[in-house]
Amino acid sequence: QVQLRESGSGLVKPSQTLSLTCAVSGASVNSGAYSWSWVRQPPGKGLEWIGSIYHSGGAYYAPSLESRLTISIDESKNHLSLTLTAVTAADTAVYYCVRVISGNLANWFDPWGQGALVTVSS
Amino acid sequence: DIQMTQSPSSMSASVGDRVTIACRASQSIGSYLSWYQQRPGKSPKLLIYAASSLHSGVPSRFSGSGSGTDFTLTISNLQPEDFATYYCQQSYTMPKYSFGQGTKLDIK
Repeated sequence: QVQLRESGSGLVKPSQTLSLTCAVSGASVNSGAYSWSWVRQPPGKGLEWIGSIYHSGGAYYAPSLESRLTISIDESKNHLSLTLTAVTAADTAVYYCVRVISGNLANWFDPWGQGALVTVSS
Repeated sequence: DIQMTQSPSSMSASVGDRVTIACRASQSIGSYLSWYQQRPGKSPKLLIYAASSLHSGVPSRFSGSGSGTDFTLTISNLQPEDFATYYCQQSYTMPKYSFGQGTKLDIK
């Protein structure tokens, strides 16, 4: 059974850097069978895809975050990392990591981690 | 960018009802659509992928249909645990994705 668990900075000051990791168990992050994504959800709002990464290291980002966001894979630790620089209150959200499964007719997200709440406040 | 629009944004229903949630894409996405359920305080869970394929372990009262730009999620015989928020998601532009704004289903 694949499980994802996010951890990292819960409170970040404006203009500083948000860092999260996602520990993966039950699957290998360098498996070519999957890719991985991050999704965030501001309090009381909907889901926003923010970035994806492949085992080869190729990463793709939401245009609104591309200049501030870095997603990477650490094969030795079997985990994913997310770094978001120059944060503002608008970056306050629950951040989820997800496994992306590719099928013939679609890609889909399963499973999801339990989420990590990050609050940006001075 | 492909915009996903769900309707309604919220709705009320009773246990035993049949409900339908719509999702419209701003351009054709084939069958590159998934549905997720999110209960309060919990992570989203996959219900349907490829527009109409039921994810393993999901009750058969959930079904999805559609292709191109118009999709629906139908829940038959609503159960108390089904009151939640539902999201559609397109993967046509993978590895970039987008979600609908969500439909909150609560008890009438």
